[in-house]
Amino acid sequence: QLQLQESGPGLVEPSETLSLTCSVSGASISRSNDYWGWIRQPPGKGLEWIGTFFRSGSTYYNPSLESRVTISLDTSKNQFSLNLTSVTAADRAMYYCARAPLSVMRYFDHWGQGALVTVSS
Amino acid sequence: AIQLTQSPSSLSASVGDRVTITCRASEDLSSGLAWYQQNPGKSPRLLIYDVSTLESGVPSRFSGSGSGTEFTLTITSLQPEDFATYYCQQFNRFPITFGQGTRLDFK
Repeated sequence: QLQLQESGPGLVEPSETLSLTCSVSGASISRSNDYWGWIRQPPGKGLEWIGTFFRSGSTYYNPSLESRVTISLDTSKNQFSLNLTSVTAADRAMYYCARAPLSVMRYFDHWGQGALVTVSS
Repeated sequence: AIQLTQSPSSLSASVGDRVTITCRASEDLSSGLAWYQQNPGKSPRLLIYDVSTLESGVPSRFSGSGSGTEFTLTITSLQPEDFATYYCQQFNRFPITFGQGTRLDFK
């Protein structure tokens, strides 16, 4: 069965780069026709879509974050990653990776358990 | 970006009650709407997609309806595990956006 698991540093200094990895089991990202995305949720607040990518290399980012975001794939490890540059306190959030079945403009049917990232010096 | 406004923002109910949560969009969504349930400290769980299609494994007491810019999530006969926060999400137009959430708690 499909499972996603986020990992990465829980603390990032202001102006630095936030880097998280999502490990996928139960499916091969490089052979799947599904899309894979990142969503974040500041403590006590709602959900914000960050971006989605496809194995072909196509990426789709939220315009509000596009200048700072990169999502990439590591096929050898069946993982995909999120890099968010120049972080501030406003980037403190739980970061989720998730699957969007068969299309970028889709719902997310499988989610990781989340990784909490705090921005502080 | 399409704005999604959920109402109410919070709701108190009892086990066995029927509740309805509304999601209003700033533009026509066609059928590109989903609903999620999130319990404290947990990831969102997909309940309904394409306005009214129940995700596999989701109890039939959950249902979705609507069209255009107004959509509803209805829970009939509330169970203790249903007290959570609910979010709508639109995927009809880029960028993907979510409603602000509706918190459902015990009366």
